[in-house]
Amino acid sequence: DAGVTQSPTHLIKTRGQQVTLRCSPISGHKSVSWYQQVLGQGPQFIFQYYEKEERGRGNFPDRFSARQFPNYSSELNVNALLLGDSALYLCASSRGAWTGSYEQYFGPGTRLTVT
Amino acid sequence: TQLLEQSPQFLSIQEGENLTVYCNSSSVFSSLQWYRQEPGEGPVLLVTVVTGGEVKKLKRLTFQFGDARKDSSLHITAAQTGDTGLYLCAGERDSNYQLIWGAGTKLIIKP
Repeated sequence: DAGVTQSPTHLIKTRGQQVTLRCSPISGHKSVSWYQQVLGQGPQFIFQYYEKEERGRGNFPDRFSARQFPNYSSELNVNALLLGDSALYLCASSRGAWTGSYEQYFGPGTRLTVT
Repeated sequence: TQLLEQSPQFLSIQEGENLTVYCNSSSVFSSLQWYRQEPGEGPVLLVTVVTGGEVKKLKRLTFQFGDARKDSSLHITAAQTGDTGLYLCAGERDSNYQLIWGAGTKLIIKP
């Protein structure tokens, strides 16, 4: 079975631009979570979606938004990019919403560089 | 402010040695997870602990959840070069669906 897939793998954008990152969960998984991992730090939670509804939001500005589609894939959008948005963006899928009860499987991430 | 403090931040030891890494917090977690992440990849779940005092073993890796569910440790016996990686702990709190992550321990096992 295919694992979590993310696209693109790498992306270079300029300050002020907008970016859309995509994630396809493992077949049968209804929950998708997004994380930002800055170099040298652990992941920071951005959003969780379950059954196409937002179930959790981390401490990120409104420039960050996401949505989940009927096929459970997801997009993360970031507007008005700042240099500090440069990071590895990770997507994780799981069968259910509670991360303590359902194992999360991570994709390889999208490396975003903002210049 | 990091709610989960991991120590040490970096550890480099010889193959065959034992080691322990720690994950500490002043907050109580309903569950705590340990992950290993290799360069260019996402984290991979190693274990989830949910009960205070719980000990879980995964081959040469032993995980312990503190009695008060505020801290955890990972002990590796007879480390191998394949154990090299970034070890992350992440805790879930009852109030929401968020996982709170530590900054990680970068482990290098030298042959």
